[in-house]
Amino acid sequence: GEDVEQSLFLSVREGDSSVINCTYTDSSSTYLYWYKQEPGAGLQLLTYIFSNMDMKQDQRLTVLLNKKDKHLSLRIADTQTGDSAIYFCAERPLTGGGNKLTFGTGTQLKVEL
Amino acid sequence: NAGVTQTPKFQVLKTGQSMTLQCAQDMNHEYMSWYRQDPGMGLRLIHYSVGAGITDQGEVPNGYNVSRSTTEDFPLRLLSAAPSQTSVYFCASRTRVGGETQYFGPGTRLLVL
Repeated sequence: GEDVEQSLFLSVREGDSSVINCTYTDSSSTYLYWYKQEPGAGLQLLTYIFSNMDMKQDQRLTVLLNKKDKHLSLRIADTQTGDSAIYFCAERPLTGGGNKLTFGTGTQLKVEL
Repeated sequence: NAGVTQTPKFQVLKTGQSMTLQCAQDMNHEYMSWYRQDPGMGLRLIHYSVGAGITDQGEVPNGYNVSRSTTEDFPLRLLSAAPSQTSVYFCASRTRVGGETQYFGPGTRLLVL
C-alpha cells in the first residue's frame, strides 16, 4: 500500500528558509499535498501538486517534486514565528482509493528568534 | 458557509460507553471522511463516504460505525469505547469532481478512561 514518510522535527531561525521533506511510495498518478496544523486546530491546506509537475510556487511557498526518487519538498521563504506548526505531507491517488488521503507522520517546525 | 463543523469539541468517556461524533458540511460535498490523529502516526482514515447512502471502510475501521443518510451529515459512532480509541478525530469533505482540496473540521478530542 501507499506509504508517506517525513522527518519529525525541524528548527530554523526567523528570516531563514525552511525546507520540509517527504517521500512517498505510490507509483500511480497522484495528488501530493502539504497541510499545516497549528496547536489545537484542524488541518489547513497550504498547497498541492500533481505528480506530473516538477514545481509549484505560491508566494513564500515552493513545492519541488522529484518523480524519480518520489521525493517532495516544501520550502518556506523568510520563515516567520507564525509558521511554527506541524506540517503534513499527504498523497491521494488520481483513480481508485475513494477518498483516501495517506498522511505522513508530520514535521514539527519550530521557528526561533 | 460554515464549512465543516464537528461536535463535541471534547469528550470524556468510560470504557464500554457509546457515543456519536457529529460532522456536518454545508458545501454540498459528495465525499466525506473520518480520520483519527495519534502522536507520531499522522492521520489515519477510519471510514469514508462517496455520497448519501454509500460508505466504505478505511485503514482503521474496527470499533467504529458510520452512516450517510444525507449529503450534509456523516456521524461516527463508537459502539463500546476502548482506551485505544483515545485520539483526536477529524472529519473532512471534498467535491467529487475537481475536488483536489479537502476541507477539515476543527476536530473532536476524545479521552476514554
